[in-house]
Amino acid sequence: EAQVTQNPRYLITVTGKKLTVTCSQNMNHEYMSWYRQDPGLGLRQIYYSMNVEVTDKGDVPEGYKVSRKEKRNFPLILESPSPNQTSLYFCASRRQSLANTGELFFGEGSRLTVL
Amino acid sequence: SQKIEQNSEALNIQEGKTATLTCNYTNYSPAYLQWYRQDPGRGPVFLLLIRENEKEKRKERLKVTFDTTLKQSLFHITASQPADSATYLCALDGSASKIIFGSGTRLSIRP
Repeated sequence: EAQVTQNPRYLITVTGKKLTVTCSQNMNHEYMSWYRQDPGLGLRQIYYSMNVEVTDKGDVPEGYKVSRKEKRNFPLILESPSPNQTSLYFCASRRQSLANTGELFFGEGSRLTVL
Repeated sequence: SQKIEQNSEALNIQEGKTATLTCNYTNYSPAYLQWYRQDPGRGPVFLLLIRENEKEKRKERLKVTFDTTLKQSLFHITASQPADSATYLCALDGSASKIIFGSGTRLSIRP
């Protein structure tokens, strides 16, 4: 089954304690992206990756890091989480080509609370 | 700066009626516009994509229009059902890397 898998789905942590949210896709997609969703603000892009070892900032990258060492995985790293990073996070992927930008496939989301 | 607005935060309609959701954008020239459905606690799910050179796209009870002059897309659900109740997101896709989402319209279909 084609899917994007995120872990953990729920996490409560404290300010400053480093954490990683993993994302894995089994569709051999080149493009992967992280979004955060907050009430009234919609989905905002944090980082994206066009392919292995190629990453770039989205609209709200401050406080986050990513890496793309393998095509299937795109972890989101919060080096020193702060309460304003409390949010619902989504990982997404899609095929990437000049002819077809296509639909995004989303994971089920990771709800993060930073105390 | 680029801006995308879905002009209704919430929409309530009677079952069987046509639901019409609006997406407006400014300072952007998207090559594609997409619509997604999101249920509470779940990730968005793709519904339809319409290209800038297409005026209208249909899929079963769904219809999307795209007016690049007005910078607007309309999303219609005909013969609406309670199961159509969800949040609907529009997204602009103007480059190979960046997709911008609206904040969504929460649609409720009452029996």
